[in-house]
Amino acid sequence: EAGVVQSPRYKIIEKKQPVAFWCNPISGHNTLYWYLQNLGQGPELLIRYENEEAVDDSQLPKDRFSAERLKGVDSTLKIQPAELGDSAVYLCASSPRTGGPYTGELFFGEGSRLTVL
Amino acid sequence: AQSVTQLDSHVSVSEGTPVLLRCNYSSSYSPSLFWYVQHPNKGLQLLLKYTSAATLVKGINGFEAEFKKSETSFHLTKPSAHMSDAAEYFCVVSESNTGKLIFGQGTTLQVKP
Repeated sequence: EAGVVQSPRYKIIEKKQPVAFWCNPISGHNTLYWYLQNLGQGPELLIRYENEEAVDDSQLPKDRFSAERLKGVDSTLKIQPAELGDSAVYLCASSPRTGGPYTGELFFGEGSRLTVL
Repeated sequence: AQSVTQLDSHVSVSEGTPVLLRCNYSSSYSPSLFWYVQHPNKGLQLLLKYTSAATLVKGINGFEAEFKKSETSFHLTKPSAHMSDAAEYFCVVSESNTGKLIFGQGTTLQVKP
């Protein structure tokens, strides 16, 4: 079974430029997450989707960040314009939440490392 | 609000010796707790989880953790370290109503030959 796939793995851009990250979750997983991981820190949730609905985007900086999950499968996270402080790893994860007790097991992709110059 | 504190940012052990990675949690109710591992340039992987069943939880690769409510701790242990255990380890608590995972700052485990 294929895991969570993210692209690109690495991206270097100049500040004020736009950037987009793509995520393909595990087939059948209806919950998708985007996490931000700064160097030396634990991941922090940016947004969570249940199917195509964003059910928790309270930590997403909406002035420059946007996300979408059309058709409830793949998702895209966009930053426009990028700032120096956005340099980090952007992690995508999915889980097969079915509405019962939440198991807490997320399946993570390898991440997209962004460097803003 | 739930939170976790990993007491050591860096732990170094020799191969074949025991591993202890410490984690304290804060929660107003019985929490769900997890340990995740992140190898360099790899995705995070679930090691083990506690969800109010047995207090001693066994995970993959010989790791285990014990939930101690009186000490609000969930320390990760392994009897004998292997070189392949070198990685970043995260203690995590879950909000039961949302499933939101709250990660600790991480502990880097170094294993010396």
